[in-house]
Amino acid sequence: QGQLVESGGGLVKPGGSLRLSCAASGFTFSDYYMSWIRQAPGKGLEWVSYISSSGSTKYYPDSVKGRFTISRDNAKNSLYLQMNSLRAEDSAVYYCARAGAGIDSWGQGTLVTVSS
Amino acid sequence: EIVLTQSPDFQSVTPKEKVTVTCRASQHIGSSLHWYQQKPDQSPNLLIKYASQSISGVPSRFSGSGSGTDFTLTINSLEAEDAATYYCHQSSSLPFTFGGGTKVEIK
Repeated sequence: QGQLVESGGGLVKPGGSLRLSCAASGFTFSDYYMSWIRQAPGKGLEWVSYISSSGSTKYYPDSVKGRFTISRDNAKNSLYLQMNSLRAEDSAVYYCARAGAGIDSWGQGTLVTVSS
Repeated sequence: EIVLTQSPDFQSVTPKEKVTVTCRASQHIGSSLHWYQQKPDQSPNLLIKYASQSISGVPSRFSGSGSGTDFTLTINSLEAEDAATYYCHQSSSLPFTFGGGTKVEIK
């Protein structure tokens, strides 16, 4: 099933930037579309980005479009999320997720807190 | 954007009871509907894919049905370990979306 391990979360001021990383292992990373999904404290799940297996296709919902950038390095089995112009409402646990048939593998999540 | 509406929001259930969670899509999504279980302080876990397909390692008491716009997750003979929040998710069209969740509590 594979393993996904996120890193890079932390406390950042409004307007600041943060880069999340996800290290994948136990499966052929380059075969899979990948996503970032977030969950604000006590709230539901929100999908925030999606990238094709080659990295050529990316998609974002309106809530993060223009501020977040997803990327991947298949040689390093790694997924990234560059988050700029962060807002308080971006505070959440961010999950790295493998988009197979449904989201069939999730990381443990990394917490991002946007606060002054 | 396809909106997924789950019901109920909360359910308190006695062990061995049957639990039914529904998910209604605002547009036709075929069978591109998946179900997840999330226990407190854990990542979500895939329970059912493509509306009714079982997942290896998931207990057989979990099943899914439906197509088009109306979907159901059924837990037969609820066990204490099934206390969790359950989410539906559609992968029919971008942006992918999730339902608001159904919290199942054990009485």
